[in-house]
Amino acid sequence: QKEVEQDPGPLSVPEGAIVSLNCTYSNSAFQYFMWYRQYSRKGPELLMYTYSSGNKEDGRFTAQVDKSSKYISLFIRDSQPSDSATYLCAMSFSGNTPLVFGKGTRLSVIA
Amino acid sequence: DTGVSQDPRHKITKRGQNVTFRCDPISEHNRLYWYRQTLGQGPEFLTYFQNEAQLEKSRLLSDRFSAERPKGSFSTLEIQRTEQGDSAMYLCASSSTSSSYEQYFGPGTRLTVT
Repeated sequence: QKEVEQDPGPLSVPEGAIVSLNCTYSNSAFQYFMWYRQYSRKGPELLMYTYSSGNKEDGRFTAQVDKSSKYISLFIRDSQPSDSATYLCAMSFSGNTPLVFGKGTRLSVIA
Repeated sequence: DTGVSQDPRHKITKRGQNVTFRCDPISEHNRLYWYRQTLGQGPEFLTYFQNEAQLEKSRLLSDRFSAERPKGSFSTLEIQRTEQGDSAMYLCASSSTSSSYEQYFGPGTRLTVT
């Protein structure tokens, strides 16, 4: 079992839909949780990070962490075709350890 | 633009040749990371530096791989005697020490070994 599991999709939604992306993890020692967006043949772009449990909102994006269930989510409201990309979750044990990534979920938003 | 830059963006090489990649981090960041990403997978950690000190290496980093950051600024990643399995995107990221979880990635170097 990999430390971080993420459904690779692909996920296809109509423009304006609410998108839910998820990751599960096995190691309860993870404390920092990040979401990255990666366009084809580009480097990952940091979208949001969360420390420990709770919610964080930034514009159309909301990140949720449920440490009791070892489950994290990213919600995208009013999805746009420009949101079409691969979304990677990443985790870190502390502020000083490398990131452990999921496989990424490929999202297509259809106009 | 003061983001992370990487050079070259693409490299095609024959099996057995040596290749070297360069990464220039965000100027105020003292941590620099190397990751490798293959198709359909997330990035996998290779190694990282704090200033010029190499603090951690993954077991993925075989003895054919070597990384340096001689003056605590740019870094190089060299692969000796390349193999077809080395074909991947090599990503560099940087962060500050106080916010190491906030890593900012460069565009990557895509390596193809024929």
